[in-house]
Amino acid sequence: DADVTQTPRNRITKTGKRIMLECSQTKGHDRMYWYRQDPGLGLRLIYYSFDVKDINKGEISDGYSVSRQAQAKFSLSLESAIPNQTALYFCATSDLDSYEQYFGPGTRLTVT
Amino acid sequence: QKEVEQNSGPLSVPEGAIASLNCTYSDRGSQSFFWYRQYSGKSPELIMFIYSNGDKEDGRFTAQLNKASQYVSLLIRDSQPSDSATYLCAVRAGNTPLVFGKGTRLSVIA
Repeated sequence: DADVTQTPRNRITKTGKRIMLECSQTKGHDRMYWYRQDPGLGLRLIYYSFDVKDINKGEISDGYSVSRQAQAKFSLSLESAIPNQTALYFCATSDLDSYEQYFGPGTRLTVT
Repeated sequence: QKEVEQNSGPLSVPEGAIASLNCTYSDRGSQSFFWYRQYSGKSPELIMFIYSNGDKEDGRFTAQLNKASQYVSLLIRDSQPSDSATYLCAVRAGNTPLVFGKGTRLSVIA
């Protein structure tokens, strides 16, 4: 089984809809991250969490919110989706000492 | 703003040649440096990390770090078509998330 899983893997939604992307991990890591990737723009950090009670904004948090339900679960919400949020979204985890990040398989989101 | 710069490519090399990928970073306090490989439509996977000045070798891959010049590189020896991917450089400074470059696309021509 994969160490970092994301659901759904693909999603098409309409402008204005609320959508939640979920991430679960079995690596036992405290730290979790949400990134989006757009062609030519690389990986951009949306939010990150260093433990269950810690939530931090990243480079591009506007229009997004997160919830850290447990050490193993970190969800990303788009309150009112817009077309320029169409992107590939990745969840990642890391442990306290090494900072190496392990990525989930990604969610391809299309907002029409 | 912490920045990590990479040439977007594509970098084309013939099969069997050495591919050289370069990365510069702006934050002199950076402490750890990572190279990720990403195939099209897939998630990034870690291939190398380096913390100290000098070279670090792992199989066909060598990471090189020069903190004085704020420069980190990845050499791929005996390049194979399966090495064709986008290579992401990432940098950490302090207790903060990694900062990623935009990646260099490598194409190995058979």
